[in-house]
Amino acid sequence: EAQVTQNPRYLITVTGKKLTVTCSQNMNHEYMSWYRQDPGLGLRQIYYSMNVEVTDKGDVPEGYKVSRKEKRNFPLILESPSPNQTSLYFCASSSGRDTGELFFGEGSRLTVL
Amino acid sequence: QKEVEQDPGPLSVPEGAIVSLNCTYSNSAFQYFMWYRQYSRKGPELLMYTYSSGNKEDGRFTAQVDKSSKYISLFIRDSQPSDSATYLCAMTGGISSASKIIFGSGTRLSIRP
Repeated sequence: EAQVTQNPRYLITVTGKKLTVTCSQNMNHEYMSWYRQDPGLGLRQIYYSMNVEVTDKGDVPEGYKVSRKEKRNFPLILESPSPNQTSLYFCASSSGRDTGELFFGEGSRLTVL
Repeated sequence: QKEVEQDPGPLSVPEGAIVSLNCTYSNSAFQYFMWYRQYSRKGPELLMYTYSSGNKEDGRFTAQVDKSSKYISLFIRDSQPSDSATYLCAMTGGISSASKIIFGSGTRLSIRP
């Protein structure tokens, strides 16, 4: 089954404690991206990757890091989380062809205390 | 001003009603227009995709684009309780991975049995 898998789905942490949200896709997609979804603000892009070892900032990259060492994986790293990073996070991938459809994971709800 | 504006709702209608969901946008470079559906605790999934102006029909769903007015709509006929979800409009200037997709903030729809 074609899918994008994120872990963890739910996480409560404290300010300053480094965490990583993993994302893996099994569709051999070149393009992967991270979004955060906040009420009234919709989906905002954090970082994206066009291919292995190629990453770039989206609209709200501050406080986040990413890496793309393998085609299927695109982890999101919060080196020193702060309460304003409390949000619902989505990883997405796309082939970049046809309709350019984004395939989303099921989301990771992060709370930073 | 946001590039894409969408009424957040919530919108509640009785089963069987025709639903109209809308977005306005400001960037005339947008050429590809999409509607994503997001069920509670799930990631968005592509529902409809339209290129440039005109209508596109898929079962009970019709997507309409009016580029002259910078206005897009999604109509749902014979609405069902299973249509209850958040609907996100999205648009982009191109379908390649290099083209940024801008999302509306989403309209929460509830269909009453």
